[in-house]
Amino acid sequence: AQTVTQSQPEMSVQEAETVTLSCTYDTSENNYYLFWYKQPPSRQMILVIRQEAYKQQNATENRFSVNFQKAAKSFSLKISDSQLGDTAMYFCALRHDYKLSFGAGTTVTVRA
Amino acid sequence: EAQVTQNPRYLITVTGKKLTVTCSQNMNHEYMSWYRQDPGLGLRQIYYSMNVEVTDKGDVPEGYKVSRKEKRNFPLILESPSPNQTSLYFCASRQTGPRFNEKLFFGSGTQLSVL
Repeated sequence: AQTVTQSQPEMSVQEAETVTLSCTYDTSENNYYLFWYKQPPSRQMILVIRQEAYKQQNATENRFSVNFQKAAKSFSLKISDSQLGDTAMYFCALRHDYKLSFGAGTTVTVRA
Repeated sequence: EAQVTQNPRYLITVTGKKLTVTCSQNMNHEYMSWYRQDPGLGLRQIYYSMNVEVTDKGDVPEGYKVSRKEKRNFPLILESPSPNQTSLYFCASRQTGPRFNEKLFFGSGTQLSVL
């Protein structure tokens, strides 16, 4: 079985500042993928960033970056220069083979 | 436009009345899957399909059925809905194999209320 834990139900950040979302996971597999998804009020699921477990280099996508610590089974997301449009719920997810597991989500509010 | 189309977007029904939520993709994806989203629980996988006529259970399959008779369609069937199936449902699809980036495409969601 694989599990994903997001321990921060809500976070608030001032516009232009940085916020880091935590995610830990558990799996017995060695090959897997990790993802962060964004869900704005429109409910659409938007892929923010992905990381292959066999790659040591942390993934980055513009203002979004991850800190992947495989031994610690940790996969945090950093949002730099936060913008009002970043306000959304963020889900951490783990995929092995055809199974995909999500965390409970973290609601991020960016304040003007 | 590449997309996953779910219908309906909103549905209110009563306990025991069979319903089907449709899902269709136009990207020729082999893999399709269904999820339900509940507050405090995130998204949980209900069923998935690796290809036509090949389906398997996810983490919460009880009370649901699926079929994959055609590559583009993957309907979710609730034969006897109960109030605990009130939830936001998502269908998703992706290409499989090492040549593809394996991005998961989501539908717009179906908000189901069972009274």
